[in-house]
Amino acid sequence: GAGVSQSPSNKVTEKGKDVELRCDPISGHTALYWYRQRLGQGLEFLIYFQGNSAPDKSGLPSDRFSAERTGESVSTLTIQRTQQEDSAVYLCASSSYSGLYEQYFGPGTRLTVT
Amino acid sequence: SQELEQSPQSLIVQEGKNLTINCTSSKTLYGLYWYKQKYGEGLIFLMMLQKGGEEKSHEKITAKLDEKKQQSSLHITASQPSHAGIYLCGADFTDSWGKLQFGAGTQVVVTP
Repeated sequence: GAGVSQSPSNKVTEKGKDVELRCDPISGHTALYWYRQRLGQGLEFLIYFQGNSAPDKSGLPSDRFSAERTGESVSTLTIQRTQQEDSAVYLCASSSYSGLYEQYFGPGTRLTVT
Repeated sequence: SQELEQSPQSLIVQEGKNLTINCTSSKTLYGLYWYKQKYGEGLIFLMMLQKGGEEKSHEKITAKLDEKKQQSSLHITASQPSHAGIYLCGADFTDSWGKLQFGAGTQVVVTP
């Protein structure tokens, strides 16, 4: 595709519900990253995938957060038992490879937990 | 990230004037990225710098990396309304392999 796409663009959920956020990276990009941007705070790294290697999950804030990636394509970020502090914009980025390569970001999913 | 400090936090510049944003790291930089973000939108990639002393330009935007100071600057010449937005620097530290840590951002407002 022309760029990184994410869905849904907005998600409102009740506290305690599970949510799934989707990311479609640029075709051919082997590295995929998830970041979170909470209101008034900077971007936080969550997790990244590089090819078939084990993902780097060092940024996930709790075990309620998990992510999967199918080969070198779509990724899904799942948040279980959502809490109000999970409200944020979740951004996905992809690059041709991990390391010093340009990361291209999607438009983000705005998650609101009520 | 406290390891990456951006300044100023915000600035207002008159259209046609120049502006500079700084990004200082407390750790060794492997790569330094500049992005622009408009409200409600994703990040737009501007430039990536990876070597001390490297300088890149695109249209009216120039970015430099000072390896000695572990600092990068983003300079916009003759600002236009289209330059308004939030500018973010992201650092790839030597042990991060693409995991970017971002500064808090600089909000730029361009007035007529």
